[in-house]
Amino acid sequence: GAVVSQHPSRVICKSGTSVKIECRSLDFQATTMFWYRQFPKQSLMLMATSNEGSKATYEQGVEKDKFLINHASLTLSTLTVTSAHPEDSSFYICSARDSGTGGYEQYFGPGTRLTVT
Amino acid sequence: KQEVTQIPAALSVPEGENLVLNCSFTDSAIYNLQWFRQDPGKGLTSLLLIQSSQREQTSGRLNASLDKSSGRSTLYIAASQPGDSATYLCAVRPGAGNMLTFGGGTRLMVKP
Repeated sequence: GAVVSQHPSRVICKSGTSVKIECRSLDFQATTMFWYRQFPKQSLMLMATSNEGSKATYEQGVEKDKFLINHASLTLSTLTVTSAHPEDSSFYICSARDSGTGGYEQYFGPGTRLTVT
Repeated sequence: KQEVTQIPAALSVPEGENLVLNCSFTDSAIYNLQWFRQDPGKGLTSLLLIQSSQREQTSGRLNASLDKSSGRSTLYIAASQPGDSATYLCAVRPGAGNMLTFGGGTRLMVKP
Protein backbone atom coordinates (compact mmCIF):
# COMPACT_ATOMS: atom_id res chain seq x y z
CA GLY A 1 0.00 0.00 0.00
CA ALA A 2 0.91 3.66 -0.29
CA VAL A 3 3.32 4.83 2.38
CA VAL A 4 4.07 8.32 3.57
CA SER A 5 7.00 8.98 5.84
CA GLN A 6 7.87 11.95 8.00
CA HIS A 7 11.19 12.95 9.44
CA PRO A 8 11.91 13.55 12.20
CA SER A 9 9.30 11.79 14.29
CA ARG A 10 10.17 13.94 17.30
CA VAL A 11 12.11 17.14 17.63
CA ILE A 12 12.88 19.45 20.53
CA CYS A 13 14.21 22.88 19.74
CA LYS A 14 14.91 26.11 21.53
CA SER A 15 12.72 29.15 21.16
CA GLY A 16 13.81 31.32 18.25
CA THR A 17 15.32 28.55 16.16
CA SER A 18 13.89 27.06 12.97
CA VAL A 19 12.88 23.46 12.42
CA LYS A 20 12.37 21.62 9.16
CA ILE A 21 10.00 18.66 8.84
CA GLU A 22 10.10 16.41 5.79
CA CYS A 23 7.19 14.53 4.26
CA ARG A 24 7.88 11.88 1.62
CA SER A 25 5.66 9.67 -0.46
CA LEU A 26 7.65 6.47 -0.70
CA ASP A 27 6.00 4.48 -3.46
CA PHE A 28 3.85 6.93 -5.37
CA GLN A 29 3.97 10.40 -6.81
CA ALA A 30 2.08 13.19 -5.10
CA THR A 31 1.50 16.49 -6.85
CA THR A 32 -0.45 17.60 -3.81
CA MET A 33 0.45 17.25 -0.15
CA PHE A 34 -1.34 18.61 2.87
CA TRP A 35 0.02 19.79 6.22
CA TYR A 36 -2.11 19.44 9.32
CA ARG A 37 -1.62 20.50 12.91
CA GLN A 38 -3.11 18.69 15.86
CA PHE A 39 -3.25 19.87 19.46
CA PRO A 40 -3.70 17.36 22.29
CA LYS A 41 -7.09 15.69 22.27
CA GLN A 42 -8.20 17.75 19.31
CA SER A 43 -8.80 16.96 15.69
CA LEU A 44 -6.62 17.76 12.72
CA MET A 45 -6.62 21.29 11.43
CA LEU A 46 -5.50 21.88 7.88
CA MET A 47 -2.67 24.40 7.71
CA ALA A 48 -1.83 24.45 4.03
CA THR A 49 -2.03 22.64 0.74
CA SER A 50 1.33 22.05 -0.90
CA ASN A 51 1.46 21.83 -4.68
CA GLU A 52 4.53 20.57 -6.51
CA GLY A 53 6.30 23.31 -8.38
CA SER A 54 4.10 26.13 -7.13
CA LYS A 55 3.37 28.14 -4.02
CA ALA A 56 1.47 26.57 -1.19
CA THR A 57 -2.07 27.61 -0.36
CA TYR A 58 -2.46 28.53 3.28
CA GLU A 59 -5.63 28.32 5.34
CA GLN A 60 -6.99 31.41 6.97
CA GLY A 61 -5.08 32.35 10.08
CA VAL A 62 -1.93 30.43 9.19
CA GLU A 63 1.13 32.66 8.80
CA LYS A 64 2.88 31.76 5.57
CA ASP A 65 6.08 33.51 6.62
CA LYS A 66 6.23 31.47 9.79
CA PHE A 67 5.34 28.12 8.28
CA LEU A 68 7.36 27.85 5.09
CA ILE A 69 6.35 25.09 2.76
CA ASN A 70 8.39 23.81 -0.15
CA HIS A 71 7.22 21.09 -2.53
CA ALA A 72 10.19 20.74 -4.84
CA SER A 73 9.57 17.24 -6.14
CA LEU A 74 6.74 14.80 -6.67
CA THR A 75 7.74 12.85 -3.57
CA LEU A 76 8.91 15.46 -1.08
CA SER A 77 7.35 18.39 0.74
CA THR A 78 8.95 20.23 3.63
CA LEU A 79 7.49 22.37 6.38
CA THR A 80 9.84 24.79 8.10
CA VAL A 81 8.71 26.38 11.33
CA THR A 82 10.69 29.60 11.52
CA SER A 83 11.56 31.39 14.76
CA ALA A 84 9.71 28.77 16.73
CA HIS A 85 7.97 29.65 19.97
CA PRO A 86 6.51 27.41 22.68
CA GLU A 87 3.01 27.94 21.28
CA ASP A 88 4.18 26.24 18.08
CA SER A 89 4.60 23.02 20.02
CA SER A 90 2.21 20.57 18.45
CA PHE A 91 1.82 17.39 16.44
CA TYR A 92 2.29 18.01 12.73
CA ILE A 93 0.92 15.48 10.25
CA CYS A 94 1.36 15.49 6.51
CA SER A 95 -0.79 13.78 3.92
CA ALA A 96 -0.07 13.00 0.30
CA ARG A 97 -2.54 12.48 -2.50
CA ASP A 98 -1.72 9.80 -5.02
CA SER A 99 -1.64 11.49 -8.41
CA GLY A 100 -1.80 8.18 -10.21
CA THR A 101 -5.24 7.15 -9.01
CA GLY A 102 -8.58 8.60 -9.86
CA GLY A 103 -9.89 8.47 -6.34
CA TYR A 104 -7.66 11.16 -4.96
CA GLU A 105 -7.22 9.15 -1.80
CA GLN A 106 -5.01 10.73 0.81
CA TYR A 107 -2.38 8.82 2.71
CA PHE A 108 -1.13 10.11 6.03
CA GLY A 109 2.30 10.21 7.53
CA PRO A 110 3.03 9.10 11.11
CA GLY A 111 3.33 12.65 12.37
CA THR A 112 6.09 14.78 13.91
CA ARG A 113 5.96 15.87 17.53
CA LEU A 114 7.51 19.33 17.88
CA THR A 115 8.38 20.67 21.31
CA VAL A 116 9.72 24.20 21.59
CA THR A 117 11.40 25.01 24.89
CA LYS B 1 -18.54 25.91 4.92
CA GLN B 2 -18.60 22.20 5.67
CA GLU B 3 -18.66 21.29 9.34
CA VAL B 4 -18.20 17.77 10.64
CA THR B 5 -19.34 16.72 14.11
CA GLN B 6 -18.71 13.49 15.93
CA ILE B 7 -20.72 12.23 18.86
CA PRO B 8 -19.85 11.12 21.46
CA ALA B 9 -16.50 12.80 22.06
CA ALA B 10 -15.47 9.95 24.32
CA LEU B 11 -16.79 6.47 24.96
CA SER B 12 -15.84 3.72 27.38
CA VAL B 13 -17.26 0.23 26.98
CA PRO B 14 -16.51 -3.25 28.32
CA GLU B 15 -14.88 -5.74 26.00
CA GLY B 16 -17.27 -7.63 23.74
CA GLU B 17 -19.83 -4.89 23.31
CA ASN B 18 -21.06 -3.78 19.93
CA LEU B 19 -20.89 -0.03 19.53
CA VAL B 20 -21.77 2.78 17.16
CA LEU B 21 -19.87 5.98 16.52
CA ASN B 22 -21.69 8.85 14.89
CA CYS B 23 -20.57 11.45 12.39
CA SER B 24 -22.67 14.25 10.94
CA PHE B 25 -21.86 16.83 8.29
CA THR B 26 -23.66 20.02 7.32
CA ASP B 27 -23.29 19.97 3.52
CA SER B 28 -24.62 16.82 1.90
CA ALA B 29 -22.78 17.50 -1.37
CA ILE B 30 -19.80 15.32 -0.64
CA TYR B 31 -17.52 13.24 -2.87
CA ASN B 32 -16.72 10.64 -0.24
CA LEU B 33 -16.42 10.06 3.49
CA GLN B 34 -13.57 8.33 5.25
CA TRP B 35 -13.14 6.84 8.72
CA PHE B 36 -9.71 6.84 10.32
CA ARG B 37 -8.16 5.44 13.44
CA GLN B 38 -5.48 7.30 15.38
CA ASP B 39 -3.50 5.79 18.22
CA PRO B 40 -1.97 8.19 20.79
CA GLY B 41 0.97 10.10 19.33
CA LYS B 42 0.63 8.39 15.98
CA GLY B 43 -0.58 9.23 12.51
CA LEU B 44 -3.84 8.22 10.90
CA THR B 45 -4.78 4.80 9.61
CA SER B 46 -7.56 4.67 7.04
CA LEU B 47 -10.28 2.21 8.03
CA LEU B 48 -13.05 2.62 5.49
CA LEU B 49 -13.81 4.92 2.58
CA ILE B 50 -17.37 5.33 1.33
CA GLN B 51 -18.00 6.97 -2.01
CA SER B 52 -21.00 9.28 -2.23
CA SER B 53 -22.87 6.72 -4.34
CA GLN B 54 -22.42 3.98 -1.76
CA ARG B 55 -24.45 3.34 1.38
CA GLU B 56 -22.01 1.22 3.35
CA GLN B 57 -18.62 -0.42 3.46
CA THR B 58 -17.45 -3.34 5.57
CA SER B 59 -14.05 -4.49 6.72
CA GLY B 60 -13.85 -7.29 9.25
CA ARG B 61 -15.64 -6.22 12.42
CA LEU B 62 -16.15 -2.70 11.09
CA ASN B 63 -19.12 -1.46 9.13
CA ALA B 64 -19.57 2.12 8.01
CA SER B 65 -22.81 3.49 6.66
CA LEU B 66 -23.53 6.69 4.81
CA ASP B 67 -26.81 8.59 4.51
CA LYS B 68 -25.83 11.53 2.38
CA SER B 69 -29.26 13.15 2.31
CA SER B 70 -29.41 13.43 6.09
CA GLY B 71 -25.71 14.22 6.42
CA ARG B 72 -24.89 11.25 8.63
CA SER B 73 -22.47 8.37 8.81
CA THR B 74 -22.04 5.70 11.45
CA LEU B 75 -19.17 3.38 12.23
CA TYR B 76 -20.29 0.12 13.77
CA ILE B 77 -17.73 -1.94 15.65
CA ALA B 78 -18.76 -5.48 16.48
CA ALA B 79 -17.48 -7.44 19.44
CA SER B 80 -15.14 -4.69 20.62
CA GLN B 81 -11.66 -5.57 21.88
CA PRO B 82 -9.16 -3.68 24.04
CA GLY B 83 -7.03 -3.30 20.92
CA ASP B 84 -9.79 -1.19 19.40
CA SER B 85 -9.03 1.55 21.93
CA ALA B 86 -8.05 4.62 19.92
CA THR B 87 -9.46 7.86 18.57
CA TYR B 88 -11.73 7.45 15.57
CA LEU B 89 -12.00 10.32 13.12
CA CYS B 90 -14.39 10.79 10.26
CA ALA B 91 -13.61 13.12 7.40
CA VAL B 92 -15.52 14.26 4.34
CA ARG B 93 -14.24 15.37 0.97
CA PRO B 94 -16.43 17.98 -0.77
CA GLY B 95 -15.19 17.22 -4.27
CA ALA B 96 -12.81 14.94 -6.12
CA GLY B 97 -9.86 17.24 -5.75
CA ASN B 98 -10.60 18.86 -2.44
CA MET B 99 -8.97 18.32 0.91
CA LEU B 100 -10.57 16.47 3.79
CA THR B 101 -12.56 18.16 6.54
CA PHE B 102 -12.24 16.31 9.82
CA GLY B 103 -14.60 15.85 12.71
CA GLY B 104 -13.43 16.26 16.28
CA GLY B 105 -13.04 12.53 16.80
CA THR B 106 -14.38 10.00 19.29
CA ARG B 107 -11.93 8.66 21.88
CA LEU B 108 -12.81 5.03 22.46
CA MET B 109 -11.68 2.99 25.43
CA VAL B 110 -12.49 -0.72 25.50
CA LYS B 111 -11.94 -2.18 28.94
CA PRO B 112 -10.90 -5.82 29.33
